[in-house]
Amino acid sequence: QSALTQPASVSGSLGQSITISCTGTSSDVGGYNYVSWYRHHPGKAPKLLIHDVDNRPLGISYRFSGSKSGNTASLTISGLQAEDEADYFCCSYAGRGIMLFGGGTKLTVL
Amino acid sequence: QLQLQESGPGLVKPSETLSLTCTVSGGSISITTYFWAWVRQSPGKGLEWIGSVYSSGRTFNNPSLQSRVSISVDTSKDHFSLRLSSVTAADTAVYYCARHTERFFDLWGQGTLVTVSS
Repeated sequence: QSALTQPASVSGSLGQSITISCTGTSSDVGGYNYVSWYRHHPGKAPKLLIHDVDNRPLGISYRFSGSKSGNTASLTISGLQAEDEADYFCCSYAGRGIMLFGGGTKLTVL
Repeated sequence: QLQLQESGPGLVKPSETLSLTCTVSGGSISITTYFWAWVRQSPGKGLEWIGSVYSSGRTFNNPSLQSRVSISVDTSKDHFSLRLSSVTAADTAVYYCARHTERFFDLWGQGTLVTVSS
């Protein structure tokens, strides 16, 4: 299995919305509704933002939303805030107990 | 509140075996709903799932690391361990332990940096 494909970087201005894509195959992203998204500040533990494609855990802002079409999942962050600047990773179940991560996307808030 | 904490040497020599332990506190590692995993992030790269262990001892490993990885669990001590053999500089990374289901990772340790160097 290869890592899921994410853009290396995205940027957006305060208050705007951005979308990060996560492309896999029919054996992972396209085959299961088990896509999750994480925010990661270097040196800290990653934080779960979205699970099961489009579900927010308790305590996660409504500004974070997820979706999936075919083999590509997406994370949208609306109303960008300065504290959203971080690395974002997607993850998908790939069958037989295997978990796949994306390469990560660095979000810069302008 | 359940917490995970990695421990182990921060420096390993090339060709030797990297050994890390993750201690689970505030709860039991025997919860059958969850897998216990090792994930790493090499400098400038993304997260890489190394492998996971179930409380029964059944393991699932990243096929790309399969031949060098051994993950075990000790339910009596509420900890699980990683052994990665024949390490090279490419194994230099921050290693995280984490808890997950098939659907998502919901709990992570703070991570520990392991450098492979002579």
